[in-house]
This record gives sequence, C-alpha cells and structure tokens, in this order.
Amino acid sequence: EVQLVESGGGLVQPGGSLRLSCAASGFTFSNFWMTWVRQAPGKGLEWVANIKQDASAKYYVDSVQGRFTISRDNAKNSLYLQMSSLRAEDTALYYCARDHYASGSYDSWGQGTLVTVSS
Amino acid sequence: QSALTQPASVSGSPGQSITISCTGTSSDVGVAYNYVSWYQQQPGKVPKLMIYNVSYRPSGVSNRFSGSKSGNTAFLSISGLQAEDEADYYCSSYSSSPLAYVFGTGTKVTVL
Repeated sequence: EVQLVESGGGLVQPGGSLRLSCAASGFTFSNFWMTWVRQAPGKGLEWVANIKQDASAKYYVDSVQGRFTISRDNAKNSLYLQMSSLRAEDTALYYCARDHYASGSYDSWGQGTLVTVSS
Repeated sequence: QSALTQPASVSGSPGQSITISCTGTSSDVGVAYNYVSWYQQQPGKVPKLMIYNVSYRPSGVSNRFSGSKSGNTAFLSISGLQAEDEADYYCSSYSSSPLAYVFGTGTKVTVL
C-alpha cells in the first residue's frame, strides 16, 4: 500500500525557518516525480514545488521561489521542503503527493502537516 | 502564475448531469501537453485524483466522471449525480510559462 507521511510542521514566527519531511513507502520512490501542495485554512489548493526522480530538475511557484527548497533522498525514500523567510501567507496544511504519470497526476497524498506562521 | 478560473459553485439534483469548467490560457490549459487533472476533496479529506491527462480515469473512479478540453478551457462532467459527489472539485494544469503546475480556484458541488 502506498503511504506518504508528512512531518515537521508547527508554529513559527515570521521570518523563521522550518523543514518539512515526507516519508514514502509501498512503492519505488525513486521512480516518481514528487510534489508539495499546500492549502491555507478554508482555502483552495496551491501547487508549491516539484522535483524530478533524480533531483536534476526542481520547479517552484513564484511566491516561494528563493525562499523554499525542495529536495529528496532516494536512499531514505524521503522528500523534503526547506522553508525560510516564512510569512503569514505561508500558513497552510502542506501535503506531499506522488505524480503518478509525470503529468501533474497526483494519485497518492499524505495527510498533511500544518504550518502556522504567526508572532 | 494565476490560478485557473472555475465557477464557485455548481448544483444539481440526484440523477442529473453537471459540468464544471476550468479556464486558463494558452500557456497552461491550452498548451499541447494535455496535462490537465481533476481532484475531488470532500470535507476534512485529502484530495482524490478523478481525471488525469484531460480525460483518463484512474482505476476505481466511477465512469460517471469524464473530462474533456477545448482550447484554453477544460471540463469535468458528472453524470447520474449522487449525494456522495457533493464535494469541492479542483482542476490542475501544467504551465509552460513559467514551468510549473497550477490549480484552479475550486468549485463546490452541491447535490440538491
């Protein structure tokens, strides 16, 4: 069974940093693009970043470019999101998701980890 | 990277058919890749992939759900509407400029 489990969320002050992790199991992690998607409380889904199987390509939404870094460790079956210079508008539930067909087709999602940016 | 435009709400009676639109630009929905997906999110739940690559259904998704695209607009149709279809629906598309993906604004489907 495919499982994605996020961790690392919490309360952080504006300007602070946080590192999210996503532990994958039940599939060959190194075969798939992986993605972070976030959802602010009561709002819609927002695509954040994705990373190619071998980490040779990474893309970001403009609003996090230069502040967030996506990475992966295929040996540990893990995906990461390093977030810095956090802003109130980054407050959201952060999901990691598997892109099954490398076409934005996210067939497996974690339960999410909540990031709250507030003083 | 503006969100794709969806109607805020669509409603229908049980058994009826509804269609949700998702309007973008020639740089995303209208691009030749056909990388448009649709997700269903029920309250308090994780999003579920319903359609990928414009019109393909993942295994286990009811054939009452279908997808299509015309120009810069994609569509999700639900036939034989059921109470369990009540949820928020989001489209998503690859964007060629800049290279990324983008979600739609979301549509709340209500079964009357």
